[in-house]
Amino acid sequence: NAGVTQTPKFRILKIGQSMTLQCTQDMNHNYMYWYRQDPGMGLKLIYYSVGAGITDKGEVPNGYNVSRSTTEDFPLRLELAAPSQTSVYFCASSLGTGRQNIQYFGAGTRLSVL
Amino acid sequence: AQSVSQHNHHVILSEAASLELGCNYSYGGTVNLFWYVQYPGQHLQLLLKYFSGDPLVKGIKGFEAEFIKSKFSFNLRKPSVQWSDTAEYFCAVKGGLRAAGNKLTFGGGTRVLVKP
Repeated sequence: NAGVTQTPKFRILKIGQSMTLQCTQDMNHNYMYWYRQDPGMGLKLIYYSVGAGITDKGEVPNGYNVSRSTTEDFPLRLELAAPSQTSVYFCASSLGTGRQNIQYFGAGTRLSVL
Repeated sequence: AQSVSQHNHHVILSEAASLELGCNYSYGGTVNLFWYVQYPGQHLQLLLKYFSGDPLVKGIKGFEAEFIKSKFSFNLRKPSVQWSDTAEYFCAVKGGLRAAGNKLTFGGGTRVLVKP
């Protein structure tokens, strides 16, 4: 099993450019999440999804959009990149509720906006 | 909104020393508790978890954590660290049986450096 796969691993954007961070999981998990990790701040939840076609905002959704057309994929879109979006982005997935709520993380995407 | 506090941002210790990392959370109801570890250049991996039952939880690589409900704490311990334990450690909490989306709230992380 590949688990949670994120692409790209690194990206440099210019201010105002757009891009999509890809995330796919092969564990047939219902729940998927996008986090950003800033130094000393831990992980902050951007968006999450409880199943195909259902998404909701997390703590820090401004400047981002998501979609969930399939169980496997949960792309994160940055429409107008800003320096404040320089961060490491992690995608995660989990099977469901209770004892199945163990989140498995991808390797991350390091994004710099200059 | 619930919050998770990790008191130490950086810890430096020598091999064979004992390690204890503090974690406190603010949610007053039923919680699920987790410790994740991030080795340099790698993604987060689950160290251990608590859902219910015995408040002393054992995880991988010799780590354990104790849930003390009255103190809203879930401290991580290892009796004797190795150089390979150099990593960043994150405490996370899911508050409530029906927390929307089973969302986790993470602490700010503790960077641990073990000197050989």
